[in-house]
Amino acid sequence: AQSVTQPDIHITVSEGASLELRCNYSYGATPYLFWYVQSPGQGLQLLLKYFSGDTLVQGIKGFEAEFKRSQSSFNLRKPSVHWSDAAEYFCAVGYTGGFKTIFGAGTRLFVKA
Amino acid sequence: ETGVTQTPRHLVMGMTNKKSLKCEQHLGHNAMYWYKQSAKKPLELMFVYSLEERVENNSVPSRFSPECPNSSHLFLHLHTLQPEDSALYLCASSQQGQGATDTQYFGPGTRLTVL
Repeated sequence: AQSVTQPDIHITVSEGASLELRCNYSYGATPYLFWYVQSPGQGLQLLLKYFSGDTLVQGIKGFEAEFKRSQSSFNLRKPSVHWSDAAEYFCAVGYTGGFKTIFGAGTRLFVKA
Repeated sequence: ETGVTQTPRHLVMGMTNKKSLKCEQHLGHNAMYWYKQSAKKPLELMFVYSLEERVENNSVPSRFSPECPNSSHLFLHLHTLQPEDSALYLCASSQQGQGATDTQYFGPGTRLTVL
């Protein structure tokens, strides 16, 4: 079955430090890959999306992600975290022809001063 | 109003009540979705409507009944719920109705508590 794994339930980083959130997907066909962010009391907002082309994707709020087919990974990165980045981050994958996007369980990011 | 709105934001109901959740999208999109978000679990897709036709129904209990009267509005009718149905219910929309490969735009959710 198709699945998305986010191995870190929560991560704490210091403000100004770099961040990497991990994501692995299980299915080998050409995936559409997404990172969404959810702030408290809010719905999910798209950070970035990949489906073809350059494997390094730039998103909003200074985030980027790199698609590595050989590792079935799509890790999210940010060089310098701001306190406002504290939120929950969801990796998701979809495939053409289907209506169901598969979401990971999420990684909650805490930012300490 | 812009984006995707959901009402009510919070709902407390007994197991014998009947209530409805409402979602409205102001983006001109063709597809709408209901998700259930429970603590420490991945988002669970419940229903998908594309051009007002239900195209996905993920083995959801019949106590949840969706309705999509037009491409801008989506309802989730609730009756005889169980305490384990307590969760955040998220509505989303996407432009082209291609589901899994579309960017989805989410509402803020309805926090449902079943007593």
